[in-house]
Amino acid sequence: GQNIDQPTEMTATEGAIVQINCTYQTSGFNGLFWYQQHAGEAPTFLSYNVLDGLEEKGRFSSFLSRSKGYSYLLLKELQMKDSASYLCAVRYHNTDKLIFGTGTRLQVFP
Amino acid sequence: AAGVIQSPRHLIKEKRETATLKCYPIPRHDTVYWYQQGPGQDPQFLISFYEKMQSDKGSIPDRFSAQQFSDYHSELNMSSLELGDSALYFCASSLTSDRGQSPGNTIYFGEGSWLTVV
Repeated sequence: GQNIDQPTEMTATEGAIVQINCTYQTSGFNGLFWYQQHAGEAPTFLSYNVLDGLEEKGRFSSFLSRSKGYSYLLLKELQMKDSASYLCAVRYHNTDKLIFGTGTRLQVFP
Repeated sequence: AAGVIQSPRHLIKEKRETATLKCYPIPRHDTVYWYQQGPGQDPQFLISFYEKMQSDKGSIPDRFSAQQFSDYHSELNMSSLELGDSALYFCASSLTSDRGQSPGNTIYFGEGSWLTVV
């Protein structure tokens, strides 16, 4: 299979930094996406990695290591509105669909 | 900017009835995807279309069918509905022919259609 694993739940304090990890099967890998999803709403695109390294976008950064089959999403200066589920999704060669992980539910407390 | 449009937003059907969901992709996007998301679960890929042809198939029941029309909108038809079909159904679109580095053929999701089967 193409198991994509993430922690189920995480908690953090407003203003803090949190790192959400994602591991995936490396064979045929062709890109990794992070989405944010509030309950009952559409997943919204956060970041994309296809090469090793760090992609920074404001308060959010995403890192990829293709050899290790590992990515993380880093959220800085947490705000209450960042409380949501964060979905790691992987694209493999010969298909355009995304395979989603189970998502990490992040709760930010004051 | 225009987004993926789905209709209806909410739908209530009885068991064994039929339901049709519609999706209008972002203008110029050539690929449409359908995902099903049950409560507390991750989105599960159902089916996709590229240039009006089925391009990939996932865990879509035989009771479901879908197609993409000449104007690129897509419809998901669900028959003999079961209680377990109650879920949020997302349509998403992308520009597959755009193989640029960033953001690399990103898939954008619609707001979803809530289906409740009673």
